[in-house]
Amino acid sequence: QVQLVESGGGVVQPGRSLRLSCAASGFTFSSHGMHWVRQAPGKGLEWVAIISFDGRQKYHADSVKGRFTISRDNSKNTLYLQMNSLRAEDTAVYYCARDPENYFDGSDYYYGWYFDLWGRGTLVTVSS
Amino acid sequence: SYELTQPPSVSVSPGQTARITCSGDALPKKYAYWYQQKSGQAPVLVIYDDSKRPSGIPERFSGSSSGTKATLTISGAQVDDEGDYYCYSTDSTNNYVVFGGGTKLTVL
Repeated sequence: QVQLVESGGGVVQPGRSLRLSCAASGFTFSSHGMHWVRQAPGKGLEWVAIISFDGRQKYHADSVKGRFTISRDNSKNTLYLQMNSLRAEDTAVYYCARDPENYFDGSDYYYGWYFDLWGRGTLVTVSS
Repeated sequence: SYELTQPPSVSVSPGQTARITCSGDALPKKYAYWYQQKSGQAPVLVIYDDSKRPSGIPERFSGSSSGTKATLTISGAQVDDEGDYYCYSTDSTNNYVVFGGGTKLTVL
């Protein structure tokens, strides 16, 4: 079954850290770029980060740059999001999502820059 | 920064056609994507590359784009189509990827 399953959410105090995981199954994880997208309670969707299929290229949204780091372990079919210096405004459901197109042509990485498969999300609450 | 603008809400009766618009300055050059999110669930891709429909998405869902406006059309809307719909795209320089603010579709 093709699916993504997030875990690691919970309640954390401001300034502390948390690491989210996303387990992939049913498809060739190592062939796809992957994203994190978040949704604050009652709000819209916000893109957070992207990582290339081989983990060598990463981009983060300005709102999390320097605090969050996306990574992956293709041997474990797992995507991660390390979140440091958490703020109240980081409170959200965090979704991992698959990019349908990602390849390296020898000089640059190319992505579809959209999301064709989503997990169910994991809730992160930053509160004292 | 870059913004995509959607109407906050659209309401239709069952069987009618629902149209949800998305406006953005870069849409003449960049594809629009549409996501459906039902209450308490993850988003689902319903339209990609302006007008393509993923496998498993009903034919009543269609997309189009002209100038700075993209449109999601649901022909013969059903009660099961209720939910929030988000457009998504990138700016002309690929520096920003953004979602629209979302449109709540009510079918009753």
